[in-house]
Amino acid sequence: EDQVTQSPEALRLQEGESSSLNCSYTVSGLRGLFWYRQDPGKGPEFLFTLYSAGEEKEKERLKATLTKKESFLHITAPKPEDSATYLCAVLSGGYQKVTFGTGTKLQVIP
Amino acid sequence: NAGVTQTPKFQVLKTGQSMTLQCAQDMNHNSMYWYRQDPGMGLRLIYYSASEGTTDKGEVPNGYNVSRLNKREFSLRLESAAPSQTSVYFCASSLEGQTDTQYFGPGTRLTVL
Repeated sequence: EDQVTQSPEALRLQEGESSSLNCSYTVSGLRGLFWYRQDPGKGPEFLFTLYSAGEEKEKERLKATLTKKESFLHITAPKPEDSATYLCAVLSGGYQKVTFGTGTKLQVIP
Repeated sequence: NAGVTQTPKFQVLKTGQSMTLQCAQDMNHNSMYWYRQDPGMGLRLIYYSASEGTTDKGEVPNGYNVSRLNKREFSLRLESAAPSQTSVYFCASSLEGQTDTQYFGPGTRLTVL
């Protein structure tokens, strides 16, 4: 069975304090890994798709990386507006379905 | 473009009542999905429609039915609501299947008493 584990569950950072969120996975043939941002009371908003180990993508203060067992979402010099829950999801080739993690709730304090 | 829209935003039902959640997308996407999100659990797929005219069960289909009315619209029906169906429901769409980026609607918060 495909599994996705995100850590930590919650993270509190000072504005400007860089850190990383982790998404570890066990899937039957990874076909893609997705990162989403979810604000309270809203639907997930797409950030990145990664397809193979070694791939990296960047958007503003966010950088996503992928290895064969995990993905990291690096946040550089975060701002309060980066506060949200970040979701990771994997698409497995074996089951042809997307499995979501439970998310990391990030709070950035001014 | 409005993207993915859902109605209603909030709903309270009594056990045994029925209702339909509506979803529409204006991005000309072929695939549409219904998820539920519960505290401490990841988003779980209820049903999906890979293309107009087709629907398939996801991870948690029991107690739900769906209709792909046309390319734009995908509805989710609860025939006899149960307290276990209290959740936030999200509709999503993608261009072609689950390998493509999914775009989500704002959600419907459903409480079943």
